[in-house]
Amino acid sequence: ETGVTQTPRHLVMGMTNKKSLKCEQHLGHNAMYWYKQSAKKPLELMFVYNFKEQTENNSVPSRFSPECPNSSHLFLHLHTLQPEDSALYLCASSQDSYQETQYFGPGTRLLVL
Amino acid sequence: GESVGLHLPTLSVQEGDNSIINCAYSNSASDYFIWYKQESGKGPQFIIDIRSNMDKRQGQRVTVLLNKTVKHLSLQIAATQPGDSAVYFCAENDRPYNQGGKLIFGQGTELSVKP
Repeated sequence: ETGVTQTPRHLVMGMTNKKSLKCEQHLGHNAMYWYKQSAKKPLELMFVYNFKEQTENNSVPSRFSPECPNSSHLFLHLHTLQPEDSALYLCASSQDSYQETQYFGPGTRLLVL
Repeated sequence: GESVGLHLPTLSVQEGDNSIINCAYSNSASDYFIWYKQESGKGPQFIIDIRSNMDKRQGQRVTVLLNKTVKHLSLQIAATQPGDSAVYFCAENDRPYNQGGKLIFGQGTELSVKP
């Protein structure tokens, strides 16, 4: 195990639902990341938080809303998603955002109906 | 623009053979490279990394080679085992280490090990 946990592991939601993904890291890291992984495509960086401050928003639609209450926890709030948002959402952490070695959680497999 | 790509999307090897997974990159400013392994149903797992001041780095059964002249990165797995079956990603930073930056990931190569 990498020390990064994600819940839920699987999620099915309708386009009008509101749900949240949770990530927790037990590594004492200060930076946390959200990535989207779609089939046959490279990992897409969504958000970066460093010491609880958002340092990167990679042109992500507003229907995805991140929250980082502390350096160990990261949330991704979802509302009015589209079917094309179905993907594996991965959380990662690193010592800080200038240390490139990132450690990933197992991901949440999201299906939007 | 910068890109990280792989020469082959799939690779099939016999158990016990050595595997070589290749990766090309285009950003001359990249000074950090990393390989990840992703098994089915799991997140990417760090394998090995290398900085641009090195040409080769060895881990346990894995070796990463960096050729900066032709912007090529490879991962060699010795005595490939069934447990090595997974998708392997290379990634590079888009700016030098001391300028921050983020990792840019390749599409991945699926390694299949035949018993």
